[in-house]
Amino acid sequence: GQNIDQPTEMTATEGAIVQINCTYQTSGFNGLFWYQQHAGEAPTFLSYNVLDGLEEKGRFSSFLSRSKGYSYLLLKELQMKDSASYLCAVRGTNAGKSTFGDGTTLTVKP
Amino acid sequence: EAGVAQSPRYKIIEKRQSVAFWCNPISGHATLYWYQQILGQGPKLLIQFQNNGVVDDSQLPKDRFSAERLKGVDSTLKIQPAKLEDSAVYLCASSLVGSSTDTQYFGPGTRLTVL
Repeated sequence: GQNIDQPTEMTATEGAIVQINCTYQTSGFNGLFWYQQHAGEAPTFLSYNVLDGLEEKGRFSSFLSRSKGYSYLLLKELQMKDSASYLCAVRGTNAGKSTFGDGTTLTVKP
Repeated sequence: EAGVAQSPRYKIIEKRQSVAFWCNPISGHATLYWYQQILGQGPKLLIQFQNNGVVDDSQLPKDRFSAERLKGVDSTLKIQPAKLEDSAVYLCASSLVGSSTDTQYFGPGTRLTVL
């Protein structure tokens, strides 16, 4: 099985940088996803890591350490529209099945 | 490219009633997923289809939930009879291949309230 842990809530200031952590325990690993979900909307894909290291995509970056079962999502130059829930999902080796964490609700304040 | 379509967007029913949700995936996507998302939690996989075959339904409460994907395109998820704890958003997602690296694209979801 898989177990995923993320902080429940975080608050940050507009223009700042925030790091959202995700730790996982899994019996089989084949990639880690980050999704953004605004209130009342569907999750949208942000990033995918399968190898150790940092993946950068504009203001968002994602890091993975497979040996530590750890990932983080880094958001730079925060904007008010970044207020949302950020979901960490681990893909197992069983036919692409992903297990989601409960999400981190980020509030960006002026 | 059109996204994943779901209907209805909202549904309110009383416990013990039946309800059905419909999903139309992105054209060409072989894999289709149904998730249940309870308020404050992450999505939980209910069932995964590859074309019209079931790949994983280990977390589907089969005494009351059923799903089908006829012809490997559209899918319906049914709850019969509904319980109070079924109140949640039901998300449909699709992906192109179903391998371990492809990305899932989600529909807008159906928000179910069971009274």
